[in-house]
Amino acid sequence: DQQVKQNSPSLSVQEGRISILNCDYTNSMFDYFLWYKKYPAEGPTFLISISSIKDKNEDGRFTVFLNKSAKHLSLHIVPSQPGDSAVYFCAASVGGTYKYIFGTGTRLKVLA
Amino acid sequence: NAGVTQTPKFQVLKTGQSMTLQCAQDMNHEYMSWYRQDPGMGLRLIHYSVGAGITDQGEVPNGYNVSRSTTEDFPLRLLSAAPSQTSVYFCASSYDRETDEQFFGPGTRLTVL
Repeated sequence: DQQVKQNSPSLSVQEGRISILNCDYTNSMFDYFLWYKKYPAEGPTFLISISSIKDKNEDGRFTVFLNKSAKHLSLHIVPSQPGDSAVYFCAASVGGTYKYIFGTGTRLKVLA
Repeated sequence: NAGVTQTPKFQVLKTGQSMTLQCAQDMNHEYMSWYRQDPGMGLRLIHYSVGAGITDQGEVPNGYNVSRSTTEDFPLRLLSAAPSQTSVYFCASSYDRETDEQFFGPGTRLTVL
């Protein structure tokens, strides 16, 4: 049972346009969400996070939106750059459990 | 700071062999964890530790042992390797579980024949 789902395995976007990556979850107890970016042959690197008490968090070109009623979060990248081409993972955790559940990832390709 | 280091980068084992994947961090992080990444499966938590002497199981702990004798090191042991353990293994650490980002090592690609 996949508790965190990224239903789009891949996404292609033109340079300068907006990239929107989506993530759905089933466990209503999740209260902290993170996005990671991963380049080939490297470990994931942290991008941005959001607590369940918020519905939006911004950091530069990256914004994460959380819709708790829909159990959905999304990552917006504006403007997209070729260097953003990577695999993006969302992850979720329940407070006090010390366990992160990752989605299966979305491969973003930004076309120059 | 070297961050999170993992050795070896690559390893090939035969079924039934044992080995230890090494993980070390120099950031004085209390929380450390091991994940495996398989195609189409994302990252799955194997074991984690919230401090020296304290470990617990994640989603997929079977076939793996861990110990945490120091803050810096968190080795992952495969006692009797199986082909199902062929995967890429990542170690991660963070200062605090709740709000801090996890820093990942570069990974170990393990093949079990």
